[in-house]
Amino acid sequence: NAGVTQTPKFRILKIGQSMTLQCTQDMNHNYMYWYRQDPGMGLKLIYYSVGAGITDKGEVPNGYNVSRSTTEDFPLRLELAAPSQTSVYFCASSLGLAGDGLADTQYFGPGTRLTVL
Amino acid sequence: AQSVTQLDSHVSVSEGTPVLLRCNYSSSYSPSLFWYVQHPNKGLQLLLKYTSAATLVKGINGFEAEFKKSETSFHLTKPSAHMSDAAEYFCVVSDQDNTDKLIFGTGTRLQVFP
Repeated sequence: NAGVTQTPKFRILKIGQSMTLQCTQDMNHNYMYWYRQDPGMGLKLIYYSVGAGITDKGEVPNGYNVSRSTTEDFPLRLELAAPSQTSVYFCASSLGLAGDGLADTQYFGPGTRLTVL
Repeated sequence: AQSVTQLDSHVSVSEGTPVLLRCNYSSSYSPSLFWYVQHPNKGLQLLLKYTSAATLVKGINGFEAEFKKSETSFHLTKPSAHMSDAAEYFCVVSDQDNTDKLIFGTGTRLQVFP
């Protein structure tokens, strides 16, 4: 199992450009998440999905969009990049079955470091 | 609303000495609590998780944490630090309304000196 994979690892964007951060998991997890991590801060939830075709906003969704057409993939889209979106982005997944004590353990990808200039 | 407070932003220890990383939580119910570790330029890895089965939780790499409801604490400890323990550690609580959503503390950076 590769676990959770993210591409690219690094990216520099100009203000106003758009890009998609890719995330794939091969653990057949139902739930997937996108977080951002700013320097000296914990992770903030951007969007999450409880299954294919279902997405919902997290704490900081503005400026981002997501889709979940398959169980494995959960891409994050930045339409008009702004300097405030400079951050490290982490994708995560969890099994998400009620009643299982380990179900809400989240498994994280290695991150994408994005700089917007 | 749930929250976690990590009481130290930085902790420095010598190799072979005990480690204590402090975390207090705020929750109106019995939460799930986690400790995650992040090594430089890496993703987060689960160290251990508390889900009310036992108040003393043992994790990977010799770490353990004790849930103390009376003190609303979930401190992370290790008897003897190793150089490879140098990393950022996050205390995390599950969201009351959706236990698959996590709320992160701001992190504690652990330095280990030889």
